[in-house]
Amino acid sequence: DIQMTQSPASLSASLGETVTIECRASEDIYNGLAWYQQKPGKSPQLLIYNANSLHTGVPSRFSGSGSGTQYSLKINSLQSEDVASYFCQQYYNYPPLTFGSGTKLEIK
Amino acid sequence: EVQLVESGGGLVQPGRSLKLSCAASGFTFSDYAMAWVRQAPKKGLEWVATIIYDGSSTYYRDSVKGRFTISRDNAKSTLYLQMDSLRSEDTATYYCARDLPLFAYWGQGTLVTVSS
Repeated sequence: DIQMTQSPASLSASLGETVTIECRASEDIYNGLAWYQQKPGKSPQLLIYNANSLHTGVPSRFSGSGSGTQYSLKINSLQSEDVASYFCQQYYNYPPLTFGSGTKLEIK
Repeated sequence: EVQLVESGGGLVQPGRSLKLSCAASGFTFSDYAMAWVRQAPKKGLEWVATIIYDGSSTYYRDSVKGRFTISRDNAKSTLYLQMDSLRSEDTATYYCARDLPLFAYWGQGTLVTVSS
């Protein structure tokens, strides 16, 4: 099984700042990576797929990058509505589909 | 508009069974693979099972193999998860999700609590 290691576990940033969340796979996943946002009390929502493609309707301040085993999600100009937990998911090799442990983003 | 509405969760004793349902609307259900993903309280996401569009193939995580059964009724646009021999570690919110291998649409979830 491919293990996904996500960091940091929590993050506090100011409005307008840029934040970066990292995800490392236990082997090369060839850009088979998605990012999800889960707001408090809500279900997850797809943000990014194929490591760097923005899902329909997702604001352009979100972006994904990376290759091989290392991937990142960047949020530019942090907004209050970005308070959420963020999860990565690999889908290069499955089953099983595997998720990172999540990053909880708060506003300072 | 794509809608996925789960039901069937609740409190159940260890060793007992429960069946979850997910009613789909807003798309041609029989065209899509579907999945169950769970989230233990205050924890991360965990893929549980997937069924392809016509039900001919199913996939499970190891910890639920032999205990859970994913199925679908394309005539009713409904996805199911039969959960037998439930354990305390199965306590979670269960989401149904559309698409494979990533999940573009999610339901609101249904909470399953396994406790005596």
